Amino acid sequence: NAGVMQNPRHLVRRRGQEARLRCSPMKGHSHVYWYRQLPEEGLKFMVYLQKENIIDESGMPKERFSAEFPKEGPSILRIQQVVRGDSAAYFCASSPLEGSNYGYTFGSGTRLTVV
Amino acid sequence: AQSVSQHNHHVILSEAASLELGCNYSYGGTVNLFWYVQYPGQHLQLLLKYFSGDPLVKGIKGFEAEFIKSKFSFNLRKPSVQWSDTAEYFCAVNLNTGFQKLVFGTGTRLLVSP
Repeated sequence: NAGVMQNPRHLVRRRGQEARLRCSPMKGHSHVYWYRQLPEEGLKFMVYLQKENIIDESGMPKERFSAEFPKEGPSILRIQQVVRGDSAAYFCASSPLEGSNYGYTFGSGTRLTVV
Repeated sequence: AQSVSQHNHHVILSEAASLELGCNYSYGGTVNLFWYVQYPGQHLQLLLKYFSGDPLVKGIKGFEAEFIKSKFSFNLRKPSVQWSDTAEYFCAVNLNTGFQKLVFGTGTRLLVSP
């Protein structure tokens, strides 16, 4: 019973490149959440998606960031034209039903380093 | 807006010492409360959660937390820590109606020396 799978585990990008982070939720989970963890800070909510729908993107930066969760395949968090400030750990979580009441299951994260 | 405060950013203890990590939140309504743990290089795991009922909640690995509504607190405790408890601990809160994102504290890094 695979948990939440995130890849890659580590990603290095030069300034101006694009970063694509993937998240495959647990089997049977149709709700996906992305969080960002900056050094010395807690996890900050970015976006909540269900299959083919963005439910809440109140934590997403207005520019360069986008997320999708297609009918088939993993959820993708895309960062265009990365800058040094985007360096962080990005965590994905999934749940079987809406909301964290049912317990999020977290992935191991993708550590993005922008050089 | 909801916020979660963890006042202890770094805690260093010897094995067998008792642990208490503070967590306060700033919302007057009904909330759900969680503690997560992140071992070095690993993903976040749920330690325990409180939705309603007995305010003293027992979790995995000997951890417990007490919800004190009047103090807006949900402190994590363990009577005797082990070296393997070295990790980062996050308190989190959400409202218990509708979709409300989980709001995390900044975390407390616990180092247990053998």
